[in-house]
Amino acid sequence: AQTVTQSQPEMSVQEAETVTLSCTYDTSESNYYLFWYKQPPSRQMILVIRQEAYKQQNATENRFSVNFQKAAKSFSLKISDSQLGDTAMYFCAFMYEGGGNKLTFGTGTQLKVEL
Amino acid sequence: NAGVTQTPKFRVLKTGQSMTLLCAQDMNHEYMYWYRQDPGMGLRLIHYSVGEGTTAKGEVPDGYNVSRLKKQNFLLGLESAAPSQTSVYFCASSYVRYGYTFGSGTRLTVV
Repeated sequence: AQTVTQSQPEMSVQEAETVTLSCTYDTSESNYYLFWYKQPPSRQMILVIRQEAYKQQNATENRFSVNFQKAAKSFSLKISDSQLGDTAMYFCAFMYEGGGNKLTFGTGTQLKVEL
Repeated sequence: NAGVTQTPKFRVLKTGQSMTLLCAQDMNHEYMYWYRQDPGMGLRLIHYSVGEGTTAKGEVPDGYNVSRLKKQNFLLGLESAAPSQTSVYFCASSYVRYGYTFGSGTRLTVV
């Protein structure tokens, strides 16, 4: 079974600063995908970034980037130039090929961006 | 706009009542899912479907049933609601492994 662990229930960051959210996972699969989802107060689940395990290059989407350490099974999210609109719950998630492409989620990190 | 539509958005049930949550997607996705979200527990998979006419159990299936009679629709049923089923329910669909498109969620309260 796959597990995803987010050890930081809450974090805060000053506007315009950089923050890193941690995520570790456990799997015996070799072909898999990792995701970060954002859930603002509106409750909508929004895909932030996606990483294929076979790619060594870390994914980047504008101010969002990941540090993917496959051997350590670590997948952290870095948010640069934090904005008030980044305030949200962030979920790390894992999917492996086959088995219905099910997503396994971590318990989430509540990020608050402060003035 | 294309996407995943969930109805209703809010519902209050009495213990023992039944209800059906409807999920509809217009992206021609094969895969559809029902999750529940509880504080401190993330999202947990209830049931899923890999195509029309198929369903399978997820992590927390007890007390729920599902049907996928049409490719675009995935129904989640509660036959006899219990307070433990108070939660926010999310439907999602996906095209293979490109991540999910989520609905906006249904907040269900069982009293």
